[in-house]
Amino acid sequence: DAKTTQPNSMESNEEEPVHLPCNHSTISGTDYIHWYRQLPSQGPEYVIHGLTSNVNNRMASLAIAEDRKSSTLILHRATLRDAAVYYCILRHNAGGTSYGKLTFGQGTILTVHP
Amino acid sequence: SQTIHQWPATLVQPVGSPLSLECTVEGTSNPNLYWYRQAAGRGLQLLFYSVGIGQISSEVPQNLSASRPQDRQFILSSKKLLLSDSGFYLCAWSVRVGADTQYFGPGTRLTVL
Repeated sequence: DAKTTQPNSMESNEEEPVHLPCNHSTISGTDYIHWYRQLPSQGPEYVIHGLTSNVNNRMASLAIAEDRKSSTLILHRATLRDAAVYYCILRHNAGGTSYGKLTFGQGTILTVHP
Repeated sequence: SQTIHQWPATLVQPVGSPLSLECTVEGTSNPNLYWYRQAAGRGLQLLFYSVGIGQISSEVPQNLSASRPQDRQFILSSKKLLLSDSGFYLCAWSVRVGADTQYFGPGTRLTVL
């Protein structure tokens, strides 16, 4: 599976935008880029995913580089509730296999200051 | 809407005792089901996945086993717990076809003493 690299930690102030980077230089053409986050003592929560084009949803935006070797998760206005570990994951499209394995790395710990 | 339940929420067990963790999903049919473990630190490790009743695949060799007796029920078991089995156990489900998103349960925190 292709590997992702994220900073160990980042800090932000409340109500400011946050840009969480992820490098995935060995991504293959059929790998989807997924972002999950995990709040303390909870299970991971899906945030957003994309393949080639930038994506927006109610939680965040995903900006994907043209060469797909990096991506950035954008939280437009951070709140204290956004403090979590953010995981950038490549979801390998295994063709006929439908189970969709996710490989979690260490993620980025986001701290939001009031 | 779909919901996923896990119980118990926390568990403290002695070394050598058996284990049974249960996960159930509501509001969907024929889901893919997964068991993950998160040891001290942040990374999650996929332990088992299932694409149907009675169909279990193991990702890593270990002291644990999984079963799927019903379509929306997934059970994680052990006959004799080890200290190294301590961790945060998470169950997840996804749509069978095109499995793009996994939805996680609240987790069970297991401490083996």
